[in-house]
Amino acid sequence: AQSVTQLGSHVSVSEGALVLLRCNYSSSVPPYLFWYVQYPNQGLQLLLKYTTGATLVKGINGFEAEFKKSETSFHLTKPSAHMSDAAEYFCAVSDKGGRRALTFGSGTRLQVQP
Amino acid sequence: NAGVTQTPKFQVLKTGQSMTLQCAQDMNHNSMYWYRQDPGMGLRLIYYSASEGTTDKGEVPNGYNVSRLNKREFSLRLESAAPSQTSVYFCASSGGHDSNQPQHFGDGTRLSIL
Repeated sequence: AQSVTQLGSHVSVSEGALVLLRCNYSSSVPPYLFWYVQYPNQGLQLLLKYTTGATLVKGINGFEAEFKKSETSFHLTKPSAHMSDAAEYFCAVSDKGGRRALTFGSGTRLQVQP
Repeated sequence: NAGVTQTPKFQVLKTGQSMTLQCAQDMNHNSMYWYRQDPGMGLRLIYYSASEGTTDKGEVPNGYNVSRLNKREFSLRLESAAPSQTSVYFCASSGGHDSNQPQHFGDGTRLSIL
């Protein structure tokens, strides 16, 4: 069964600083990879996804993620944090050719300090 | 743009009571899902429906039943609620026929069982 590990349940950065949220997956066959964001009392919104092709994926709100097969990683970054980025972020995977349901990491809550 | 609509948004139940969580999507998606979200555990799949007329168990199906009423609607029923089912429940849907399609989430139902 797939598993997803997000290192750091809480990450705090200063406004304008680099954001780095880590995600590693367990499958030997690279799955499809997703990052979602959840604002308080809301559902999840898609930030970006990797399926095939270019390993650096750009998403909404200035976020991007790089798929590294050798490291089984899909870390999320943003060069300069904004106060509005404070939210919870989830990495998720789905199996290629398998059922379409997602397996989620446990989430990382991002705080942005003024 | 309604997307995925969940009702109710909040509910308090007593142990042993039953209730049905409703979900409807207006994006003509084939697949629908129910997840539960608990602190520090991300989202876990309860049931999913790959297409109208089919349902399958996810990671944590015990204590729940589902009905895919038609293409638009997918309901989740708790027959005899237990305190361990206190959680936030999310419904999601996805289109296409591949697991690389992103899922669209509702805003959740916050359920407390006393």
